[in-house]
Amino acid sequence: GEEVAQTPKHLVRGEGQKAKLYCAPIKGHSYVFWYQQVLKNEFKFLISFQNENVFDETGMPKERFSAKCLPNSPCSLEIQATKLEDSAVYFCASSQGTLGGQPQHFGDGTRLSIL
Amino acid sequence: AQSVSQHNHHVILSEAASLELGCNYSYGGTVNLFWYVQYPGQHLQLLLKYFSGDPLVKGIKGFEAEFIKSKFSFNLRKPSVQWSDTAEYFCAVNAPLRAGNNRKLIWGLGTSLAVNP
Repeated sequence: GEEVAQTPKHLVRGEGQKAKLYCAPIKGHSYVFWYQQVLKNEFKFLISFQNENVFDETGMPKERFSAKCLPNSPCSLEIQATKLEDSAVYFCASSQGTLGGQPQHFGDGTRLSIL
Repeated sequence: AQSVSQHNHHVILSEAASLELGCNYSYGGTVNLFWYVQYPGQHLQLLLKYFSGDPLVKGIKGFEAEFIKSKFSFNLRKPSVQWSDTAEYFCAVNAPLRAGNNRKLIWGLGTSLAVNP
């Protein structure tokens, strides 16, 4: 598609439950990025993929968070045993090519609320 | 570690006023610089970017930014703001990971701009 599509728009989970977020990048884009936005303004990089391969996972919490980008499927970000501090908006972005100046195009985000 | 600082957290202007939002980054090497805007209820959109060449970059909707390497700055400007410019503005920098490859963005904390009609 022409836009990054993120689903669901809003996800509510009880503490300790699992949460799974999905992202369909723009067709033809090779790179996918996940960011976490806590408290409205602070964006934190989580992980990036080049096609189905993890490109940079330096921002991923070591426990509970995992992500995949499989061929012919939306990318996913999964949080096991959610905690209150996982409440945030999770943004997915995609970009094409390998040039550093290629901009990232963002989806609408998924608002995760942990109760 | 690389970081991005946006000096103004909240800016309130009247229509037709001039705008300048500050952005400084900390990294001594090659960087790519971006300004994104998030209008109320919408996703992030790219306003402009600096990759190389002319340090004065023109973007959409009348915005421009100037890359001053010696000051590690990339300030966003608009000569005359409109009510429709009310939004959150984010400065971001590519953090180099591997030369020639696409890289994660390091973000400033954003500036909330409110333009009064």
